[in-house]
Amino acid sequence: QKEVEQNSGPLSVPEGAIASLNCTYSDRGSQSFFWYRQYSGKSPELIMFIYSNGDKEDGRFTAQLNKASQYVSLLIRDSQPSDSATYLCAVNHNQGGKLIFGQGTELSVKP
Amino acid sequence: DVKVTQSSRYLVKRTGEKVFLECVQDMDHENMFWYRQDPGLGLRLIYFSYDVKMKEKGDIPEGYSVSREKKERFSLILESASTNQTSMYLCAAYRTDTGELFFGEGSRLTVL
Repeated sequence: QKEVEQNSGPLSVPEGAIASLNCTYSDRGSQSFFWYRQYSGKSPELIMFIYSNGDKEDGRFTAQLNKASQYVSLLIRDSQPSDSATYLCAVNHNQGGKLIFGQGTELSVKP
Repeated sequence: DVKVTQSSRYLVKRTGEKVFLECVQDMDHENMFWYRQDPGLGLRLIYFSYDVKMKEKGDIPEGYSVSREKKERFSLILESASTNQTSMYLCAAYRTDTGELFFGEGSRLTVL
């Protein structure tokens, strides 16, 4: 079983819709969780992190964490074509920065 | 934010050549990482370092070595490049107070 799993996609949503990206992880000791966005040919950039159960909102983005079920999700409201990218979920066990990444979900937002 | 700079964006090397990929961060952070990224395989950790002169193997260290002589600089070395090391290489620095990992722009290496 992979440590961090994501659906590879592609996930296609129309412009203005809500995009929902999901991630599950295997290690119950995981302490912090991150969502990175990666445009084609570019390096990953951090868009959200979450440490506690519940929701965390930042503009159009909401991260949701459920440690009991071992999943973390990212919601993108009012999706725009510029949101089209690959979204990487990452998990940190030991706070030292050694993140475990999922393979990423490709999101396509159609005008 | 942390600025992470990788010296070369694109490199083309021949099989058997020695390759140096350099990475510099500007925020005096101890923890630095080298990943490679391949289609279908995601990001895989090659080596990391938590301090000067310190290095630890990641998940795929074979064929690679690293050097950390100064805190701000973390270099990845391919002693004898092979075609299966053609990849995108990403350096990252970790900001301890926020738990954020910042990436450089990446070095795309092609080994012929």
